[in-house]
Amino acid sequence: DTGVSQNPRHKITKRGQNVTFRCDPISEHNRLYWYRQTLGQGPEFLTYFQNEAQLEKSRLLSDRFSAERPKGSFSTLEIQRTEQGDSAMYLCASRSDSSYNEQFFGPGTRLTVL
Amino acid sequence: EDQVTQSPEALRLQEGESSSLNCSYTVSGLRGLFWYRQDPGKGPEFLFTLYSAGEEKEKERLKATLTKKESFLHITAPKPEDSATYLCAVQEGNFGNEKLTFGTGTRLTIIP
Repeated sequence: DTGVSQNPRHKITKRGQNVTFRCDPISEHNRLYWYRQTLGQGPEFLTYFQNEAQLEKSRLLSDRFSAERPKGSFSTLEIQRTEQGDSAMYLCASRSDSSYNEQFFGPGTRLTVL
Repeated sequence: EDQVTQSPEALRLQEGESSSLNCSYTVSGLRGLFWYRQDPGKGPEFLFTLYSAGEEKEKERLKATLTKKESFLHITAPKPEDSATYLCAVQEGNFGNEKLTFGTGTRLTIIP
């Protein structure tokens, strides 16, 4: 399977704990995106990387959220001191420079904060 | 700020009954309008990109069209496997902008 992969697929945590999600983009896709989706809503943009550089961050990305893409390949999204409002599906997408802006999404990580 | 409104919120059709989904948008300079399909518990699956008014694209039973204010996703003779949520998204044309702004989707159910 050469699509975007995300791990874990599901995460249940207690309020106040830290969690980290991983995204592996499609091979040779140099652009990587994180979105968050709550029930009944469309995905909301969080942040964007071109290679290892984080070029855009949404105001939704509070100080408790941090994303990295250290070698321009996989990316991690960490949430510190989780809150119940962080419960959502976290989606990763990627694209190459030649894909005419078409972002290809992974299966997502479903986070539940108790 | 970019806005995307999709209607209806939900649509139930009999198998073979054609219909259209609407996506109205407000954006200062459209770089692209995107349609995605999303099955429950899964990530969005890319369907189409439209770039300019008058453009049309087709894939199997789906056809997407674009005007200056809205896009339609026409579904012809749908089958039960077409049941999903269909998401519309816009990308503003500012240089370097990569963000997609999504609507809330239309939940389509095709009844056998």
